[in-house]
Amino acid sequence: SQTIHQWPATLVQPVGSPLSLECTVEGTSNPNLYWYRQAAGRGLQLLFYSVGIGQISSEVPQNLSASRPQDRQFILSSKKLLLSDSGFYLCAWSGGTGGYGYTFGSGTRLTVV
Amino acid sequence: AQSVTQPDIHITVSEGASLELRCNYSYGATPYLFWYVQSPGQGLQLLLKYFSGDTLVQGIKGFEAEFKRSQSSFNLRKPSVHWSDAAEYFCAVGALWGKLQFGAGTQVVVTP
Repeated sequence: SQTIHQWPATLVQPVGSPLSLECTVEGTSNPNLYWYRQAAGRGLQLLFYSVGIGQISSEVPQNLSASRPQDRQFILSSKKLLLSDSGFYLCAWSGGTGGYGYTFGSGTRLTVV
Repeated sequence: AQSVTQPDIHITVSEGASLELRCNYSYGATPYLFWYVQSPGQGLQLLLKYFSGDTLVQGIKGFEAEFKRSQSSFNLRKPSVHWSDAAEYFCAVGALWGKLQFGAGTQVVVTP
C-alpha cells in the first residue's frame, strides 16, 4: 500500500533562518507531488507541484522553493524565513501506480518567530 | 478557470441530526469532484469522490454526496452525525491526476 511521510510535525524557527521540509512517498512510482500551505481561516493554497524528478512548477511567487531530487522525495525550502511563512504545510501525492485524487501527509506546523 | 465555493464557513449541528455541506464548482471540462475531511492538526483524508456514472456516491464514515450537473453542485450529506464528525470539510475539483482546486472549507461543530 502507498504511504506518505512528512516531517517534522512541528517547527519553530526564527525570522531569517533557513527552512527544509521533507516529504517522501512509498509504494508507488512516478507520482505527482504537491506542497500546500494552509493559513488560519484561508483554506488550502497550492505552492508547488511536480510531475517528475527535477520538474517543479510554482503556483505562487514567494519566499519559498521546492525541489524533487528523487522520484518519491519532495522538499520545501527557504533561505530566509519571514513571519508570513508561518502556517500548516501539507504534502500530497496523486497518480503514479495507484490512488485517485490526492493523498495527504500529516502536515508540518511552522511557526516563524 | 476552475473554482470551488463552499458557502458555509461554519455549521453547528446537534449530535444525531442530519448534516448537509454545500459545494458549488466552476470547471471547464468534465469535473472530478472530491470531499476531504481534516481533523485539527492533521492532514486531509479523502471521504469520497465522483468521476462519472451514478450521481449519488457513497463514501467512508457514512457520508454521501450528490452530483448535480445542472446546478454545478456536489453537496455532502450525512443522515445522523456523531461527535467524531466535528472537523473541517473541504470540497475540491480538478483533473483525475492533476491539480485540485480546493474550497475554503466548512468548519463543523457538533453539540451534544
